[in-house]
Amino acid sequence: GESVGLHLPTLSVQEGDNSIINCAYSNSASDYFIWYKQESGKGPQFIIDIRSNMDKRQGQRVTVLLNKTVKHLSLQIAATQPGDSAVYFCAEIPNAGGTSYGKLTFGQGTILTVHP
Amino acid sequence: DTEVTQTPKHLVMGMTNKKSLKCEQHMGHRAMYWYKQKAKKPPELMFVYSYEKLSINESVPSRFSPECPNSSLLNLHLHALQPEDSALYLCASSQDFGQTYEQYFGPGTRLTVT
Repeated sequence: GESVGLHLPTLSVQEGDNSIINCAYSNSASDYFIWYKQESGKGPQFIIDIRSNMDKRQGQRVTVLLNKTVKHLSLQIAATQPGDSAVYFCAEIPNAGGTSYGKLTFGQGTILTVHP
Repeated sequence: DTEVTQTPKHLVMGMTNKKSLKCEQHMGHRAMYWYKQKAKKPPELMFVYSYEKLSINESVPSRFSPECPNSSLLNLHLHALQPEDSALYLCASSQDFGQTYEQYFGPGTRLTVT
């Protein structure tokens, strides 16, 4: 199940299940969003991105949903595997397109644990 | 080559030491970034270089001094650090045009200040 408190939110699933990781963002000017996966001892790894003119984008086994009305982002992982166990961060960029770089602000992260 | 490399992997330094962290990418990216990450926290942006010029300094103390000698290299010079500066320091890079803002991260340097 999922818990939110003083610690990072956690999600525990069985191998083969679908996982949904949620993220709330606060900046209404954010128009570009990225999901990153970070395994222990490694840097964040890009999973998928979405622009604010879209509400859904699909990748390989992953889908990102964006609800701008309630400023909510979710990452769905199909057929979750033990190798998916990691910390997942959403990140937002406000006013993307106005500069040649992206000023990323990361969310707090969710720990995903996949049990065989 | 889609890799960002960072050296050293681990660094232990005293509060009076001077050391440098190095980052390198050969993807032709013209934006490079330094982040600081404490345990169980998300990365926090420190500096952004765009076309080898400092574009963002997120009010980082002057004991951290970034340098971008060329488009492939990014350094972070450290001097008179405090124990609370112990963290994972991540370097990232991204393309310079607005099709994507994907940032490629290196593995980080684990810094311990004693």
